[in-house]
Parts: sequence; structure tokens; C-alpha cells
Amino acid sequence: GAVVSQHPSRVICKSGTSVKIECRSLDFQATTMFWYRQFPKQSLMLMATSNEGSKATYEQGVEKDKFLINHASLTLSTLTVTSAHPEDSSFYICSASTPARHTDTQYFGPGTRLTVL
Amino acid sequence: QKEVEQNSGPLSVPEGAIASLNCTYSDRGSQSFFWYRQYSGKSPELIMSIYSNGDKEDGRFTAQLNKASQYVSLLIRDSQPSDSATYLCAVSLTNTGNQFYFGTGTSLTVIP
Repeated sequence: GAVVSQHPSRVICKSGTSVKIECRSLDFQATTMFWYRQFPKQSLMLMATSNEGSKATYEQGVEKDKFLINHASLTLSTLTVTSAHPEDSSFYICSASTPARHTDTQYFGPGTRLTVL
Repeated sequence: QKEVEQNSGPLSVPEGAIASLNCTYSDRGSQSFFWYRQYSGKSPELIMSIYSNGDKEDGRFTAQLNKASQYVSLLIRDSQPSDSATYLCAVSLTNTGNQFYFGTGTSLTVIP
């Protein structure tokens, strides 16, 4: 139980294009989803927190117009990297939580590796 | 500033030994504590969660929490080469789905 999927697992794109990453909770309803970014040999950096049906809360230093987050349903959140540049290349990981499961445990998706050429 | 600190390692232990991983946190309002394991190129997977002072055991893993000292640890008994990974400590302020604060992780290598 508590399975979170992400799609795509890997994407390579040209500079200036936009990339959409989907995060789905497969066997539970996620009231809250989190988006993280991880650079090589570094820990996870929280980018934003999204609650179903409301606007995402972005961490300081994360551009909300560049990283668009939509949490349209209790099982789906999307992250769109707009006008991607090489410095956006990273490992993007989503997580989902619901108080109905284990208080505030976060369950992570498998991640999406983005490479911007 | 909500800081979570871990010894980055690398920590090396022989197969069969006990691996001890430590984590300290700065915010006394922290209430929930988690240990995640992350293999290279993969996303974190939950190993243990602990909410009360004392020890919590799950198979070969034991989490220890001391809120007075603001300290949480993870012991891995009978370490196996497959335990080689980066271990992330995460701290949450409330029990209501609040955001996590992650440590930088400790790299563990179990030597066959």
C-alpha cells in the first residue's frame, strides 16, 4: 500500500521547452503533495507544498511562475517546468501524505530525472 | 531556522556489524521523526517512523528518540551489503501532514 507513481521517469529536452511531470497516489487519496528537487550528492530540497484544490505554497527562492504546480484531484499533482534551462537539470521527486494513513508520513514517488540540453 | 543535522559519513561497517546513524534537530517543536533509505539514483523509501521518546524496533532496525537531547538515531543490526545506501533523517513539526525538514544524509557502506 501507499504507492506513489511519477511519469515520466526520465526526460531529455531542449533548452526553452516546457516539461510536465505527473505524480499520482495509486491506492490512497493524498490531501497533500510535496515536490522536491535533488542535485547530485545533495539532500532533498523542498520546492513546494500543494493541497488539493488550492494554490501551492512555494519555498523561498523557488519561482512559482517557472515551476507551475497543479493539484487538481486527490490523486494527481503535476509540476510543469516552464522554459527549462540546463541549470534546471535535476532529479525531481514528489511525495504524498494523508492523515488517514499514518499521521504525517510522506510516501515518495520514484522520481523524474530531467536533463535540459 | 529549522535545522536537521547528520554526519555525512561515509560510514563503513563490516557485514554483520551494527551500524549506528545519528541525527540532531534544532526545533523543539518537532514531533514526528522519520528515517528514509535512498539508493543511488532512486527516491527515498521509508524505513521507520517514531513519535515518542524511547526505542522502536522493526526487524533489524531500531529507531531511538530523545526529545530532551533533540536527538534521533537509527541502529541497523546484522548489517548486510544491501543496506549500503544513504540514510536520510526527516523531522516534521506536527502530526498533521506538515512539511519535512531533511538532513543531508549519511552514506553507509557495508563491507562484505
